[in-house]
Amino acid sequence: GAVVSQHPSWVICKSGTSVKIECRSLDFQATTMFWYRQFPKQSLMLMATSNEGSKATYEQGVEKDKFLINHASLTLSTLTVTSAHPEDSSFYICSAKGLALTDTQYFGPGTRLTVL
Amino acid sequence: AQSVSQHNHHVILSEAASLELGCNYSYGGTVNLFWYVQYPGQHLQLLLKYFSGDPLVKGIKGFEAEFIKSKFSFNLRKPSVQWSDTAEYFCAVISSSASKIIFGSGTRLSIRP
Repeated sequence: GAVVSQHPSWVICKSGTSVKIECRSLDFQATTMFWYRQFPKQSLMLMATSNEGSKATYEQGVEKDKFLINHASLTLSTLTVTSAHPEDSSFYICSAKGLALTDTQYFGPGTRLTVL
Repeated sequence: AQSVSQHNHHVILSEAASLELGCNYSYGGTVNLFWYVQYPGQHLQLLLKYFSGDPLVKGIKGFEAEFIKSKFSFNLRKPSVQWSDTAEYFCAVISSSASKIIFGSGTRLSIRP
């Protein structure tokens, strides 16, 4: 199956700093990328959907100025957590799919963010 | 708004037991349905998917799921589970009018050796 990578896989930062997480589709063109947040023992919560070359669509309750998403190319999307606080500590997962509705959505391995 | 319900939060079985995990969705139109699995410490992987055709879908590792439109259900089954099936299982739905996949809350499956 298709491969989606995330970098870094684990990051610790101080409160008030910004952290950038990269999501790459390695062997297909990802027209759409999704960013999720997963709390321990809970389901994935969709944060935003981004299409290549356009602004991301954020879910209700997600601060777009806090979680900056850039989808600059068909293989790369980035999530920047700005001025991170301990409550932002979580597991962030990206996924990617092609243009067709029937295209499978492939998930990255996730990035664990810990804000001290 | 569409939603996905997984009523079993935690299922504990012995090896070789049969498995059925429930999944119900709320959307009246055309849907595409998925089951994903997340093994401990690993990322989500697609088990199987239904887009159209035969409502009984075969997936990897001996899993199957049946789409019953009248019941808005897409239950996951496996006739004989193994210890290695211990994982979190997520049902997901995407409707024909939406561009995003909606996940259920997940079912944690624990298999006793």
